[in-house]
Amino acid sequence: SYVLTQPPSVSVAPGKTARITCGGNNIGGKSVHWYQQKPGQAPVLVIYYDSDRPSGIPERFSGSNSGNTATLTISRVEAGDEADYYCQVWDNSNDHLVVFGGGTKLTVL
Amino acid sequence: QVQLVQSGVEVKKPGASVKVSCKASGYTFINYGISWVRQAPGQGLEWMGWISGYNGNTYYAQKLQGRVTMTTDTSTSTAYMELRSLRSDDTAVYYCARGSSGELDYWGQGTLVTVSS
Repeated sequence: SYVLTQPPSVSVAPGKTARITCGGNNIGGKSVHWYQQKPGQAPVLVIYYDSDRPSGIPERFSGSNSGNTATLTISRVEAGDEADYYCQVWDNSNDHLVVFGGGTKLTVL
Repeated sequence: QVQLVQSGVEVKKPGASVKVSCKASGYTFINYGISWVRQAPGQGLEWMGWISGYNGNTYYAQKLQGRVTMTTDTSTSTAYMELRSLRSDDTAVYYCARGSSGELDYWGQGTLVTVSS
């Protein structure tokens, strides 16, 4: 089945830019969605179709996707951005319609 | 506004079954599918399967085939997920989420299912 690979952790200082990657074979040919999950809460969609933001999500959150890597970028990081982030694709070519990456813990220093 | 409200905490013994409900509101139920996603303690998100809100067609993750059944009741805009032959490694928070062919844009609050003797 299709595999999405994320770094387990990323650390960034407040006010700096965080980049969280999601690797997959020719992922640039798929649509990638990103979720933020804070402890004890359900995931929240922060980026869909590679780079679109749902209403209510700050412009500081952006996404890109090309080749074998998709990237979630968080600019001017705030303490409240500390969370787990998951990438996801819809892939009807194998036994999992929905595939998640393993998740990345973003720590704000 | 769109809401998915799930049923409450469940504690089950190994070998038992559990059925979790997900009541949708704020949108036309038959226009979207529902995915079920679970998260074991301290672990990542695991997709379990998907059901069409329109015709009840289902698609299950291969590892759960034979143990999971997803259904809907369009009269009440409610989706259900039943998992049988529970094991300790089924202990997890179970989420329903709206989506059909791309993103999962709204999620339920989660239902903790604990499997313990």
